[in-house]
Order: sequence, then structure tokens, then C-alpha cells
Amino acid sequence: AQKITQTQPGMFVQEKEAVTLDCTYDTSDQSYGLFWYKQPSSGEMIFLIYQGSYDEQNATEGRYSLNFQKARKSANLVISASQLGDSAMYFCAMREITGRRALTFGSGTRLQVQP
Amino acid sequence: NAGVTQTPKFRILKIGQSMTLQCTQDMNHNYMYWYRQDPGMGLKLIYYSVGAGITDKGEVPNGYNVSRSTTEDFPLRLELAAPSQTSVYFCASSYSEIGRDTQYFGPGTRLTVL
Repeated sequence: AQKITQTQPGMFVQEKEAVTLDCTYDTSDQSYGLFWYKQPSSGEMIFLIYQGSYDEQNATEGRYSLNFQKARKSANLVISASQLGDSAMYFCAMREITGRRALTFGSGTRLQVQP
Repeated sequence: NAGVTQTPKFRILKIGQSMTLQCTQDMNHNYMYWYRQDPGMGLKLIYYSVGAGITDKGEVPNGYNVSRSTTEDFPLRLELAAPSQTSVYFCASSYSEIGRDTQYFGPGTRLTVL
């Protein structure tokens, strides 16, 4: 069974600073996908970034990058130059490669960006 | 494209009532999913479908039923609502091909059972 662990229930960061949100995972699959989603207070789930287990380079999407360390089974999200609009819940998720290919989510990290 | 749409946005049910949560996607995705999110938690899979006519259970299927008669629609039925079903329900869809299978979520339905 797959498991995602996010050990930081809440984080604070000053505007314009960088912040790292931690995510570790557990799986017996050799092939898998890792995702980060943002959930603002309005409630919708917004896709941020994806990393495949065989991707050699860390994924980047604008101010978001994923620090993927396969041997340590970690997939941390780095947000550079934080903005007030980044205040939200952030969820790490893993997707099964075969079968139902559903997402397994962590419990989330609430990020608050302070001016 | 409207993406994934869900109705209603909010609903209050009394214990024992039934209702159907609607979900429609216009991206021609094969895979569709229903998740629930309890307060302060991540999402958990209720049911999923890999195509029209094919559905299967996820982690927390008890008290729910689904059907998938078309590619676009994937309704979730709650029978005999219970307070434990108070949650936010998200529908999602994705392509089946690896590399294109990011899941896209609907805006959610907030359900309260009293």
C-alpha cells in the first residue's frame, strides 16, 4: 500500500522568501508519480507540479520546484519568492501507475505567508 | 472547456435522506474519481471508473453508489445519509495515458448531514 507523510501541519514564511514543504512517501512500486496540489480557502484543488519516478531532473513550474530524492523517498515542494496569494493548504499525493491510478494524499501543510 | 463541474455546491441533508451528487467533465477523460475530504484531512478515494460502464470501489465506499453510463458523467449516490458522511466531495478526471494523467478536480460539494 502507498502512504504519503507530511510532517508539517503549519508553516509560516515571510513574503518574498523561499519555503520548503516536506513530503515523504512509501511504496513498493518501481514506477509511480508524485504530485503537489494547492487548496486555497475557497476550497478548490489546484494542480501545481508533477514528478515521475523515472524522471532524472527535478520538476519545475514557474516559482514551484520539486526536490525529488528517490533513495530517501522524499518529494519536497519548494516555493521561491513567496507571495501573499500562496497562503493555502498544500497536499502531496502519489499516483499508482497501474490499476485504478487514483491518488493517495498526505494530510497537508497549511502555509501562511506574512507581509 | 468547462473542465470538471459538480452540482450542487452546498447541500444539507437530514439523517436517512438520499441524494445524488452530479459530476460532468468535457475533456474526454477515461478515468473519473470521487474523493471525500473530511475537515483538516487529505482526500480519500470513494469510487472510481476507468471508462463508461466500468466502476470499482476505492478506500471508503460504504454508504455510496456510482454509475457511469457515459464518458462525461459520473454521479455519486448517497443512500440513507448519516452524520459520518458530512464532508466535502470532490470529483476528478484524468486521461489514461501515462504522462498525460494529471487529475483535474471539480470545485467540490460541501455536504452536511444533520
